Amino acid sequence: NAGVTQTPKFQVLKTGQSMTLQCAQDMNHEYMSWYRQDPGMGLRLIHYSVGAGITDQGEVPNGYNVSRSTTEDFPLRLLSAAPSQTSVYFCASSYKGMNTEAFFGQGTRLTVV
Amino acid sequence: AQSVTQPDIHITVSEGASLELRCNYSYGATPYLFWYVQSPGQGLQLLLKYFSGDTLVQGIKGFEAEFKRSQSSFNLRKPSVHWSDAAEYFCAVEGDSSYKLIFGSGTRLLVRP
Repeated sequence: NAGVTQTPKFQVLKTGQSMTLQCAQDMNHEYMSWYRQDPGMGLRLIHYSVGAGITDQGEVPNGYNVSRSTTEDFPLRLLSAAPSQTSVYFCASSYKGMNTEAFFGQGTRLTVV
Repeated sequence: AQSVTQPDIHITVSEGASLELRCNYSYGATPYLFWYVQSPGQGLQLLLKYFSGDTLVQGIKGFEAEFKRSQSSFNLRKPSVHWSDAAEYFCAVEGDSSYKLIFGSGTRLLVRP
């Protein structure tokens, strides 16, 4: 049982480049979300999805796109990377919403230079 | 708007000593409250949660937390800390929907041998 798998674990981008952070879960969870973690700020919600084909914005969505074509996958796209997007990104999934136990991936450490 | 405050950025305790991590929240109604732990290089893991009922909640790894409505607090405690408890601890409250968690900025626990 892999749980929540994020790839890559580390990435360095140049300003203006685009990339996709991958997230997959094998628990048949309806709810998936992306958070970014910055020092002294805890985790902040970027985007979330309550099921295949349904996504919505979180607290800090600017500069990021998401889609949910399958239950298992929830990729996060950076359209034009900026240094302010340097952060650690976490994907989480739960059966129904964050008031049920959320399972987190190990994170992707992204540096934009 | 909901918010969570963890006033201690770092806490150092000796192995075998007791531990209390503070968490204060701002929420209009009865909150759903959570404590998550993040070990180095890992994602977050749920320690315990409070929805309603008994205000003393037991979690995994010997942790407990007490909900005090009058103080808007949800402090995490452990009677005897082990070296493996060294990690970062996040308090969280359900946001304006069950799909959002509002995280505190975290408390890093260091354990002295």
